[in-house]
Parts: sequence; C-alpha cells; structure tokens
Amino acid sequence: GQQLNQSPQSMFIQEGEDVSMNCTSSSIFNTWLWYKQDPGEGPVLLIALYKAGELTSNGRLTAQFGITRKDSFLNISASIPSDVGIYFCAGHKTSGSRLTFGEGTQLTVNP
Amino acid sequence: SQTIHQWPATLVQPVGSPLSLECTVEGTSNPNLYWYRQAAGRGLQLLFYSVGIGQISSEVPQNLSASRPQDRQFILSSKKLLLSDSGFYLCAWNEGVGYNEQFFGPGTRLTVL
Repeated sequence: GQQLNQSPQSMFIQEGEDVSMNCTSSSIFNTWLWYKQDPGEGPVLLIALYKAGELTSNGRLTAQFGITRKDSFLNISASIPSDVGIYFCAGHKTSGSRLTFGEGTQLTVNP
Repeated sequence: SQTIHQWPATLVQPVGSPLSLECTVEGTSNPNLYWYRQAAGRGLQLLFYSVGIGQISSEVPQNLSASRPQDRQFILSSKKLLLSDSGFYLCAWNEGVGYNEQFFGPGTRLTVL
C-alpha cells in the first residue's frame, strides 16, 4: 500500500529545545493527521489538516499541510519532558479512505 | 462525548490457545471501526475494518478474524494463537464516509508464550 516516509526516526533533545519532524509521500494526500503515542497507550490525535498550505497550532505544537499536498510538518516549541513519546503522521488520499501511517518519530527529551 | 474501550488491557496466552479481544464505542452511532496491530512500539498495521454490523474487510491474510455483532462492538479473535501474534492491538473508530479523523482506544498488550 501507499507509504508515508516519516523522519527522523528518533530524536534526542534537551528540554527547552524546539523540535521539527516531517512526513513525505510520492502521492497527493487530502488530509494529514498528527498523533502522539505515550508508552503503553493508544495514539492521541494532536492536529488535523485539511487544506493545502494550512498552518494549525495546538498549544506549543504547530503543523502544516504542504503546498504540494505531498508532505506535512510538525513543530514542537520549547520542549518539556512530557513531550516524550512516538509521533505519527497519517494521511487520507481521498475522503473516507483508509488512513496511511508513517513509521513514527521517537522523541526523547532530556531534563 | 464519544469514548472507546478495549479489554483486556493485557493478556498472556500460550501458543495454540484461542483469543478474544473486545472493543466498544460509546456516544456515537454507526461508526467505522478498525483493528490495528503495533509491533515493538512502531508502525501501525491495519488488520480489519468495518463500516457496519456484520461487514468486515480484512487487510492482510493472517491467523486472526474479526466480527461486529453490534453497531458499536468490534471483536478480534483467533482459534489458535501463534508466537507471531504477540503485539499491541489497537481499536479505532471514526464517523462515516467523509470524516477522516480516527480515534484510538487504550490498546491491549498481547503476549503469546
């Protein structure tokens, strides 16, 4: 099936630093979603993007729907220890189609 | 508001034993329901999805089956577990066609020994 390339695979940062991660595809997506998964729990939806070029914030998180519709970016500002977890991007090629997930970015924040 | 439940939270089963994992959604009607498996904390593999009672689509051939006996109940089963069935099983739901955001349950950690 359609793959999403998510990078980086892992990040080790100091508390207070900003974080950037991205997701790319060779195909056009109509929706981009970003999830965070804490250890042993289910993923939680952070941000949903529906329009090319859209920039949406949720607290210290900001995500963008790439203008080409083939990529998306997630930024976390002023990281804190509770930001630790796995961040997944996901996308729909068409409305109602099954979600395609990236492989995740494992974020570690050192106090 | 809508909530999604999964049980059990953790399960340890011997090889060859049967399996039944349950997922229920509250606060919505006729949701789409999904079963995913996650290995080693990375990558979500879609196993089954359902758009209505008794309607099941399988994504990958495997040792598992799914059923939807009621509108908001989704069950994942196996007659004989394999070692390779170990993993973290996640149930998810979303509204009907046109609503793209999926919401996940807390998951079930299955260990097959």
